[in-house]
Amino acid sequence: KQEVTQIPAALSVPEGENLVLNCSFTDSAIYNLQWFRQDPGKGLTSLLLIQSSQREQTSGRLNASLDKSSGRSTLYIAASQPGDSATYLCAVVDRGSTLGRLYFGRGTQLTVWP
Amino acid sequence: NAGVTQTPKFRILKIGQSMTLQCAQDMNHNYMYWYRQDPGMGLKLIYYSVGAGITDKGEVPNGYNVSRSTTEDFPLRLELAAPSQTSVYFCASSHGGGSYEQYFGPGTRLTVT
Repeated sequence: KQEVTQIPAALSVPEGENLVLNCSFTDSAIYNLQWFRQDPGKGLTSLLLIQSSQREQTSGRLNASLDKSSGRSTLYIAASQPGDSATYLCAVVDRGSTLGRLYFGRGTQLTVWP
Repeated sequence: NAGVTQTPKFRILKIGQSMTLQCAQDMNHNYMYWYRQDPGMGLKLIYYSVGAGITDKGEVPNGYNVSRSTTEDFPLRLELAAPSQTSVYFCASSHGGGSYEQYFGPGTRLTVT
C-alpha cells in the first residue's frame, strides 16, 4: 500500500526566506503527484501537478520537483510571504490505479511571520 | 463555473441521527470522490464513483453510503451517526484518465455528540 510522508510537520520562518518542503512515497510506480494548499477551515487548492514523465513544475514563486526513483518530491517556495502561511499537502496517484484515488501525506504546517 | 460545491458547511448531529452530505460539480467530470480528514491526518478515501450508476468503496467506507444517479451529483449518506464520524468531509472530482487532477470542494465540518 502506498504511504506518503511529509517532513517537517511544521515550519516557522521569517518573511523573505526560501523554503523547501519535503514529500516521500513508498511505491515509486506513480501516475502523478499533486501539491495542495489548505488554509485553516478551508478546502484544498491545487498548486502544482507533476506527471510521472516530468521532473518539475513551476508556478510563480513555487517550484516542485519529482524524483520517482528515490520516491521523493520537494516544493520550493521562493521569497516567502506571510500570505504563504497554510498547510501544504502532498498526494500521489498510483500508476496501477484505474480510479485516480489520491494517497495523502499529513501535511506541513507553514507559518511565515513578518 | 462554480467547480465543486458542498452543503452544508457545518452540521452538528446527535448519536444515532442520519444525514446526507451534498456534493455537486459542473465540470462534467466522470470521476468523483469522498474523503474525510481527521485532525493532523491526511485525507482518507471513503467512496468513489467513475460515472453515473457506478460506485465503489474506498479505504474507510463503514457507516456511509453513496449513490450517483447523475454525472453532477454525488451525495454521501451517514446512517446512525457515531462520534467516530466527527471529521471534515471533502468531495472531489476529476476528468479521469490522462490527468486525474482532482478539484476539491470547500468541505463539510461534521460534529457528532
